[in-house]
Amino acid sequence: GDSVTQMEGPVTLSEEAFLTINCTYTATGYPSLFWYVQYPGEGLQLLLKATKADDKGSNKGFEATYRKETTSFHLEKGSVQVSDSAVYFCALGAGFGAGTRLTVKP
Amino acid sequence: EAQVTQNPRYLITVTGKKLTVTCSQNMNHEYMSWYRQDPGLGLRQIYYSMNVEVTDKGDVPEGYKVSRKEKRNFPLILESPSPNQTSLYFCASSLRLGGRADTQYFGPGTRLTVL
Repeated sequence: GDSVTQMEGPVTLSEEAFLTINCTYTATGYPSLFWYVQYPGEGLQLLLKATKADDKGSNKGFEATYRKETTSFHLEKGSVQVSDSAVYFCALGAGFGAGTRLTVKP
Repeated sequence: EAQVTQNPRYLITVTGKKLTVTCSQNMNHEYMSWYRQDPGLGLRQIYYSMNVEVTDKGDVPEGYKVSRKEKRNFPLILESPSPNQTSLYFCASSLRLGGRADTQYFGPGTRLTVL
């Protein structure tokens, strides 16, 4: 069945550092892949998505590329801000990764 | 405003006392789902519904019931709660196909403690 494996954390970075959170998937067919973000005390909200192989999803400076050859959908951001502190979830269908807690320090 | 609402947001109860967590969406979505979030485990699907009167088990359905009598509402029922159901619960909806293709929209969460 569909599943994702996500790099767990927590991850602590200084402001303006480069971020990568790894996510690999197992799936039948060609589902869409998602990254959701959860800010403290809130529900999850969509950060970005990609609907087919080689698609790049992007939003708020975050990017992830749907790579079929490596079955990966890694999340990246070139320069993180304190306001990016949150928990990030990779998702495929009803399958979610365990979440990666990111803390960005000034 | 398009949204998914859940009530209550916080609930402390005792073992065996039946409770219902309500969920409502105003986006005319066909697909609705319940998840629980536990530390280190991410989100796990409890039940989902593809449309009115159509519900199915997710990965962790034991101890839960749901119903979908109207398109907008999808309540989660715990007939006899136990301490291992202490968790953070999220309701979600999506347009039609569920999370395999459609973006899911999440409620704010219900933090349940069963003593």
